[in-house]
Amino acid sequence: QKEVEQNSGPLSVPEGAIASLNCTYSDRGSQSFFWYRQYSGKSPELIMSIYSNGDKEDGRFTAQLNKASQYVSLLIRDSQPSDSATYLCAVNTRYSTLTFGKGTMLLVSP
Amino acid sequence: NAGVTQTPKFQVLKTGQSMTLQCAQDMNHNSMYWYRQDPGMGLRLIYYSASEGTTDKGEVPNGYNVSRLNKREFSLRLESAAPSQTSVYFCASSERGLDIQYFGAGTRLSVL
Repeated sequence: QKEVEQNSGPLSVPEGAIASLNCTYSDRGSQSFFWYRQYSGKSPELIMSIYSNGDKEDGRFTAQLNKASQYVSLLIRDSQPSDSATYLCAVNTRYSTLTFGKGTMLLVSP
Repeated sequence: NAGVTQTPKFQVLKTGQSMTLQCAQDMNHNSMYWYRQDPGMGLRLIYYSASEGTTDKGEVPNGYNVSRLNKREFSLRLESAAPSQTSVYFCASSERGLDIQYFGAGTRLSVL
């Protein structure tokens, strides 16, 4: 049973548009939620962390968490070609560590 | 400040050979992790160390061993490499188990 699920994509958006990335998780006891960005051939880097229900904004990025629906999302406003990457959702589940989704590839076209 | 450093960056092994992947962090973090990443499979936890002196199995520990040498260093050993272990290996560290994890640059391993 998948614990953290993401649509693999690719999600294609034009430059300047809003990109919406979604993630669902199975463990109702999860407390920590993260979004990582991974460029091809590189290591994951943290974009956002969120721990409580609601929205959290950081520049062009907004993370949204709904624990009742077991859903976390990442919105990227004014998408740029440099945002083209794979976005990984991570949730704390078993082992008191993080479980990663398989990632959603985002393609932003000029 | 180097963060998390992994060596080597690339390695080619023959089936049955052994090797150790090294990882060191300079952020004074308590927890360290080893992941493998395969196409279409995402990041999968191999082993982790919640604190110096402890290690625990993750999702895919078979074929691997680890050593938490001290607070800074956490190594991953393949005793008898198999083609199924061809992957990209990432080391990560965090202040505590549920905190933000910081990743090394990765080791690209091919087993022929």
